[in-house]
Amino acid sequence: AAGVIQSPRHLIKEKRETATLKCYPIPRHDTVYWYQQGPGQDPQFLISFYEKMQSDKGSIPDRFSAQQFSDYHSELNMSSLELGDSALYFCASSHRTGGGNEQYFGPGTRLTVT
Amino acid sequence: AQTVTQSQPEMSVQEAETVTLSCTYDTSENNYYLFWYKQPPSRQMILVIRQEAYKQQNATENRFSVNFQKAAKSFSLKISDSQLGDTAMYFCAFMKPWGAGGTSYGKLTFGQGTILTVHP
Repeated sequence: AAGVIQSPRHLIKEKRETATLKCYPIPRHDTVYWYQQGPGQDPQFLISFYEKMQSDKGSIPDRFSAQQFSDYHSELNMSSLELGDSALYFCASSHRTGGGNEQYFGPGTRLTVT
Repeated sequence: AQTVTQSQPEMSVQEAETVTLSCTYDTSENNYYLFWYKQPPSRQMILVIRQEAYKQQNATENRFSVNFQKAAKSFSLKISDSQLGDTAMYFCAFMKPWGAGGTSYGKLTFGQGTILTVHP
């Protein structure tokens, strides 16, 4: 079965640079979530989108922005990167319209800021 | 706001034996979902099992089962016939379902995780 796709899988950036992470949800899934997992920590919710509109927002810095496009893929844009942004970034998707509450995670993008 | 607590940072078990991971949560909601996710060394987050709060029957998925005690706000995971491939970090997670009203629905709130090691 098709899974959530994230790209790139690994990304190395320098401080103050910009990064863009992409997420392609499972086909027919209408909701996308972004989570950040720091080293040795549990995933923290950043933001979610349903039908291309932002539906909830968590501890997402103002330097970060995200959107969901007409084909349901989503992008997380991160500017003025800081060392503390180094983490594993997960995208997850669910089929909210179909009553599905399970979130299926992608493999994650490992961001390293040097 | 909801909180999820996993009080066992690490657990170990011998292959083929049974192990139980603990999770407690705090919420004022009546309708919600609880999940267990597995994160092996590959760091992939894998859904293991889910429980709907309005269902009294405990969820079961093959070797994995839960003991859901709503009044006690407890949600433990039992792994039977442990296998080497079960070695991973296990996260308990809480979610308000869509349509529950209010805010913060749909997002997962995770516990701190329990590292499970299965020994041969």
